[in-house]
Amino acid sequence: DGGITQSPKYLFRKEGQNVTLSCEQNLNHDAMYWYRQDPGQGLRLIYYSQIVNDFQKGDIAEGYSVSREKKESFPLTVTSAQKNPTAFYLCASSIDLGTQYFGPGTRLLVL
Amino acid sequence: AQSVTQPDIHITVSEGASLELRCNYSYGATPYLFWYVQSPGQGLQLLLKYFSGDTLVQGIKGFEAEFKRSQSSFNLRKPSVHWSDAAEYFCAVGAISSGSARQLTFGSGTQLTVLP
Repeated sequence: DGGITQSPKYLFRKEGQNVTLSCEQNLNHDAMYWYRQDPGQGLRLIYYSQIVNDFQKGDIAEGYSVSREKKESFPLTVTSAQKNPTAFYLCASSIDLGTQYFGPGTRLLVL
Repeated sequence: AQSVTQPDIHITVSEGASLELRCNYSYGATPYLFWYVQSPGQGLQLLLKYFSGDTLVQGIKGFEAEFKRSQSSFNLRKPSVHWSDAAEYFCAVGAISSGSARQLTFGSGTQLTVLP
């Protein structure tokens, strides 16, 4: 089955800790995206990547970092610099025509 | 920069009634438009999309949407709502950025409640 997987489903972060959210796709899509979702605010773009070893900041990149070493994988690290990390994080991928397909999401909570 | 407005934060309809969810966009060129649906704690599922051609677009689960350039709108409709349609609905507009990846701008969503 082709699709996008995100892990873990729930993640807990302690003060001052960096945490990494996983996103994997087997759709052979070139582009991958990370969004943050907060209640009543829709989705906001954190980072996106069009090809391996290249990525661009989105609207709210501060406090986050990404890597794209493989076509299938686009992990997101929430650093200690992100002061309000509690949110639902969604990963997506797309082919050239731009339709984005989403993973099931990871909910990040702060202890 | 593009933007999307979903004027209705919450809509309640009775099962079997018709539904229309509003979406207005702002974009300088021909937009690429999408409707997604999200169940609680889940990812987003694509309902339908408009790229070009026929302005009335059919999607999954009996949904359709009509692109009206003169009104900058892309409203989602369903003739008869089912209880399983209760979810949050997001409209999005796509823009071509540098390269081939298209960034999507999302509206803030409309929460649909279906009464038995």
